[in-house]
Amino acid sequence: QVQLKESGPGLVQPSQTLSLTCTVSGFSLTSYNVHWVRQPPGKGLEWMGRMRYNGDTSYNSALKSRLSISRDTSKNQVFLKMNSLQTDDTGTYYCTSLTTLFDYWGQGVMVTVSS
Amino acid sequence: DIVMTQSPFSLAVSEGEMVTINCKSSQSLLSSGNQKNYLAWYQQKPGQSPKLLIYYASTRQSGVPDRFIGSGSGTDFTLTISDVQAEDLADYYCLQHYSSPYTFGAGTKLELK
Repeated sequence: QVQLKESGPGLVQPSQTLSLTCTVSGFSLTSYNVHWVRQPPGKGLEWMGRMRYNGDTSYNSALKSRLSISRDTSKNQVFLKMNSLQTDDTGTYYCTSLTTLFDYWGQGVMVTVSS
Repeated sequence: DIVMTQSPFSLAVSEGEMVTINCKSSQSLLSSGNQKNYLAWYQQKPGQSPKLLIYYASTRQSGVPDRFIGSGSGTDFTLTISDVQAEDLADYYCLQHYSSPYTFGAGTKLELK
């Protein structure tokens, strides 16, 4: 069955780089897009960016300068890297297929930015 | 970027009531190619990942109760929940996926009166 699972450090120091991995199963990264969505505690959802099935990427305009999304199709993994983290980057980070008729979400990973 | 303006921020309801949540986009979400509106509605309960309720503005996802109704076209969209049940108490978000970057509405919290 289709699954997406986020992994990464739960705690990141301010000004450091966040690295997250989304491992997918049940579908091919060369057939479906994978998006990253985040949610600060008690706040709304924010679309961060996506890795398209063909390898193209697109990003949230506000995060574009410090965000990078890449993939390893042989490992069925999509990666998120975001630098210069601040406390307001604290939140739950989700990877999702976010596609009409193929909408699946990971359970999310909580990331806290704190010294 | 397309801006999604969602209202209200919160709603207090009693079981059995009907509620409407609105979402307005800064640009049309209607594709001239296939006449579909690229607007989706999600439900999120505490501690859970978002769940897709409605896609193409008015099509219910499989398994979603028919008390959830999506409507609208172009720039104005509505999610109506008729006969609200206790299990519907959650946060609701609209999402435009007409063009990248995708954008969510700010969310509506549905609470018990």
